[in-house]
Amino acid sequence: EIVLTQSPATLSLSPGERATLSCGASQYIFTRLAWYQQTGGQTPRLLIYDASRRATGIPARFSGSMSGTDFTLTITSLEPEDSAVYYCQQRDSWPITFGQGTRLEI
Amino acid sequence: QVQLVQSGGGVVQPGGSLKLSCVASGFSFSSHGMHWVRRPPGRGLEWMAFIKFDGSQKEYPESVKGRFSISRDNSKNRLFLELNSVTAEDTAIYYCVKDICDGDRCGHDYWGQGTLVAVSS
Repeated sequence: EIVLTQSPATLSLSPGERATLSCGASQYIFTRLAWYQQTGGQTPRLLIYDASRRATGIPARFSGSMSGTDFTLTITSLEPEDSAVYYCQQRDSWPITFGQGTRLEI
Repeated sequence: QVQLVQSGGGVVQPGGSLKLSCVASGFSFSSHGMHWVRRPPGRGLEWMAFIKFDGSQKEYPESVKGRFSISRDNSKNRLFLELNSVTAEDTAIYYCVKDICDGDRCGHDYWGQGTLVAVSS
């Protein structure tokens, strides 16, 4: 089973700042990684898939990148509504696995 | 627009069974792989099951293999998840989820509203 390790667990930033969220995979997964945002009691929202491809309707402030087995979600010009828990997910092999999440507080 | 409307959650006793349903609309249901994902209280997201567009392939994590069963009825645009031999660890909000794929690069682009399954005596 592929383990995804997200860091930091919690990130506190101010509006307008830049957030950098990390996700490390226990083995090489090519670009088969997605990022999701879950705000409060709402349903999760797909932000990024294929490591760097923005989903429909996701603003350009959200971007994904990778280097080897390390993946990064970057959010620029933070807004209060970006406060949420962010999860990475690997789609390379079964079982599909999620990281434990990073809580972003604005 | 794409809609995934879930039903069938509730309270179930330990060792009991429950069947969740999801009705899809707004897209070609029979052309898409579908999943179930859950979120236990106070914890993160957990992937629970996958079924290929034609039902020919099903996948589960080890934690539920042999207890949970995913199925679909493409003639009625319905997705199901049957939960058997449930324990308190199965208490969670369960989501019906649609995939978007570019080749084998996929993400869950639409989610149902979620349904609560509470295992309690």
